[in-house]
Amino acid sequence: EVQLLESGGGLVQPGGSLRLSCAASGFTFSSYAMSWVRQAPGKGLEWVSAISGSGDNTYYADSVKGRFTISRDNSKNTLYLQMNSLRAEDTAIYYCVKHAGSTMTTRYSDYWGQGTLVTVSS
Amino acid sequence: DIQMTQSPSSLSASVGDRVTITCRASQGISSWLAWYQQKPEKAPKSLIYAASTLQSGVPSRFSGSGSGTDFTLTISSLQPEDFATYYCQQYNTYPLTFGGGTKVEIK
Repeated sequence: EVQLLESGGGLVQPGGSLRLSCAASGFTFSSYAMSWVRQAPGKGLEWVSAISGSGDNTYYADSVKGRFTISRDNSKNTLYLQMNSLRAEDTAIYYCVKHAGSTMTTRYSDYWGQGTLVTVSS
Repeated sequence: DIQMTQSPSSLSASVGDRVTITCRASQGISSWLAWYQQKPEKAPKSLIYAASTLQSGVPSRFSGSGSGTDFTLTISSLQPEDFATYYCQQYNTYPLTFGGGTKVEIK
């Protein structure tokens, strides 16, 4: 059974940093691309970042480029999101998402974690 | 970036109704479109990929169609458990982008 368990969310002041983690199990982690998707309170879904199975290729939304860094440790089956220079508008539930594969045709998400809440406020 | 526009943003329907949600891409995305269902306080769930292929375990009352720029999600006979918000997502090109969502409410 595929499981994605996010952690690391919490309250942080504007300009601060936070690192999210996602522990994955139930599949061969290194064979799948992964993404982070966020949802601000009462709003829709926003894709944040993606990383290839090997970790060699990363992609970012313009809204977080230069501030967030996605990475993975395939030996630990864990996905990360380092968030720096946080702003109030980064307040959201952050979901760890498994892609259906590692190619362009499988970039859609087949499993989602339950999410971790990040609140940016003074 | 490819913009995804869903309509309507919300709708009211009764159990047993046929419901159609549309999604339009700002440029052609072939069939690289997915649909997700989200219930309140829950993570989204994958329903359809490649515009028309149902994920394993998704009831056959759900169907998807379209290619290029225009897509539809149809629920043939709305059930009580289908009241939720539905999102389309293009995965033709990074950045991946979602539609704004369609909330299906009980009439």
